[in-house]
Amino acid sequence: KQEVTQIPAALSVPEGENLVLNCSFTDSAIYNLQWFRQDPGKGLTSLLLIQSSQREQTSGRLNASLDKSSGRSTLYIAASQPGDSATYLCAVGGGNNDMRFGAGTRLTVKP
Amino acid sequence: DVKVTQSSRYLVKRTGEKVFLECVQDMDHENMFWYRQDPGLGLRLIYFSYDVKMKEKGDIPEGYSVSREKKERFSLILESASTNQTSMYLCASSQPQPGWRTYFGPGTRLTVT
Repeated sequence: KQEVTQIPAALSVPEGENLVLNCSFTDSAIYNLQWFRQDPGKGLTSLLLIQSSQREQTSGRLNASLDKSSGRSTLYIAASQPGDSATYLCAVGGGNNDMRFGAGTRLTVKP
Repeated sequence: DVKVTQSSRYLVKRTGEKVFLECVQDMDHENMFWYRQDPGLGLRLIYFSYDVKMKEKGDIPEGYSVSREKKERFSLILESASTNQTSMYLCASSQPQPGWRTYFGPGTRLTVT
């Protein structure tokens, strides 16, 4: 069974700092990997999706990388802003419609 | 703009009641999912459906059933609500191909008293 771990569980940074969130998974036979953002009491918003054949995806100030062989993905946020404060979740997709989530990293960006 | 909607944002029910949570997507997605999210436990898959009238159990199906009579609608049913089913329930949809993102609804916070 796929296990997904996110480190750190919480992170607090000053505005403007670049930061990296980490996600690791135990089974490298993945279909895809998604990074989601969740604001308190709300649903999840997909930020980036990396297919198993890809190494990275970029959207604006966000860059996600995938290293299947080592079972790792990172989400890089450049020039962080207070509006980036949220919980970020990593989800690993399996071929049978199975998506496994990490517990998330709660990010606080201080003005 | 793609959209997944859930019938209620907040719901309070009594123990033993039958509870229906409705989810509708407007993207013609084949796959639909029900998750529950609890502090410390993260998101756990209850059921998913990959086609009309088709369903598969997730990790925690006990105490739940689902119905998908139309492609756009996926219902979660709590046959006899219990206090340990108090949780945030999230519906999601996607296409089965690996390049398609998953879209979530806003969630229903259910409290069973």
